[in-house]
Amino acid sequence: EAQVTQNPRYLITVTGKKLTVTCSQNMNHEYMSWYRQDPGLGLRQIYYSMNVEVTDKGDVPEGYKVSRKEKRNFPLILESPSPNQTSLYFCASSFWGQPQHFGDGTRLSIL
Amino acid sequence: EDQVTQSPEALRLQEGESSSLNCSYTVSGLRGLFWYRQDPGKGPEFLFTLYSAGEEKEKERLKATLTKKESFLHITAPKPEDSATYLCAVQAPGSARQLTFGSGTQLTVLP
Repeated sequence: EAQVTQNPRYLITVTGKKLTVTCSQNMNHEYMSWYRQDPGLGLRQIYYSMNVEVTDKGDVPEGYKVSRKEKRNFPLILESPSPNQTSLYFCASSFWGQPQHFGDGTRLSIL
Repeated sequence: EDQVTQSPEALRLQEGESSSLNCSYTVSGLRGLFWYRQDPGKGPEFLFTLYSAGEEKEKERLKATLTKKESFLHITAPKPEDSATYLCAVQAPGSARQLTFGSGTQLTVLP
């Protein structure tokens, strides 16, 4: 089954404790992206990757890092999380120019 | 800067009561306009892509239309299972960031 898989689905953690949210897709898509979704603000892009070892900032990259060492994986790293990063996070993938497939989200709470 | 505005923010309909959701956009050229459906606890699910003014796409009770400044998602004789948040997004030519999303319309269809 074609899918985008995110882990964990839910995480409660504390300020400053490094965390990684994993994203994996099995559709051989070259394009992958991370979004955060906040009430009233919609989906905002954090980082995107056009292929292996090619990443770039989206609209709200501050406080986040990504890497793309393999085509199927695109982890999101919060090296020193803060409460304003409490949000619902989505990973997405697609072939270039095609509709994006989204994961089911990671709800992150930072105390 | 690309902008997408969706209205209304929320809409409650009786089963069978047809209505329309609006997506107004400002973009420097339009490569594509996308409609997604998002159910609670899930990632957005792709519905339609529209590329040029005058284009229409249909799927079951949904029909999406596009003008030079806005798109409408018409819902004919909705059923409770159509309840979801509907998201609109635009893609500009040459934009590696791919999509700019609106904040969505939360649709509730009452039995």
